[in-house]
Amino acid sequence: DIQMTQSPSTLSASVGDRVTITCRASLSISTWLAWYQQKPGKAPKLLIYKASRLESGVPSRFSGSGSGTQFTLTISSLQPDDFATYYCQQCNSYPLTFGGGTKVEIK
Amino acid sequence: QVQLVESGGDVVQPGGSLRLSCAASGFSFITYGMHWVRQAPGKGLEWVTFIPYDGINKYYADSVKGRFTISRDNSKNTLYLQMNSLRREDTAVYYCATGLLEMATIVDHWGQGTLVTVSS
Repeated sequence: DIQMTQSPSTLSASVGDRVTITCRASLSISTWLAWYQQKPGKAPKLLIYKASRLESGVPSRFSGSGSGTQFTLTISSLQPDDFATYYCQQCNSYPLTFGGGTKVEIK
Repeated sequence: QVQLVESGGDVVQPGGSLRLSCAASGFSFITYGMHWVRQAPGKGLEWVTFIPYDGINKYYADSVKGRFTISRDNSKNTLYLQMNSLRREDTAVYYCATGLLEMATIVDHWGQGTLVTVSS
């Protein structure tokens, strides 16, 4: 199985900050990576797929990059609505696997 | 718009069985692969199983293989998850979700989830 490792597990930031979350795959997954945002008590929401493609309706302050085993999710200017937990997921092969999550907290 | 409504979550004893349902509307259910993903209380996301649009090649996480069965009834726009030999570690919110039409391994639209509690 492909293991996904996210860092950091928790991130404290202020509104307006540039935020970067990293995800590493245990073997190459090309660009088969997705990012999700989850708020407490809610279902996850797809933000980015194929490493860098923005899902329809997602603000352009979100961006993704990377290929192979190293990926990043960047929020260019953190907004109040962005405080949430973010998960990466490899979409390369079954069983699909998620990273452990990164909680973005208010500093 | 896409709507997925899960039901069937309950409290069940270890070793027991439960069947979850997911009613789909607002899209052409018959053309989409479907996933179940779960989340234990206070924990991260765990993918559980996938069924393609035609119901033929199914995939399971090792943690549920041989105990859970995914199925679908395209005439009723409904996805199912039959869970047998339940364990305490199966306690979680279970979400049904669509795959992207052209890239089914990408989990796209999610339901609101249904809670399964395995406890004596």
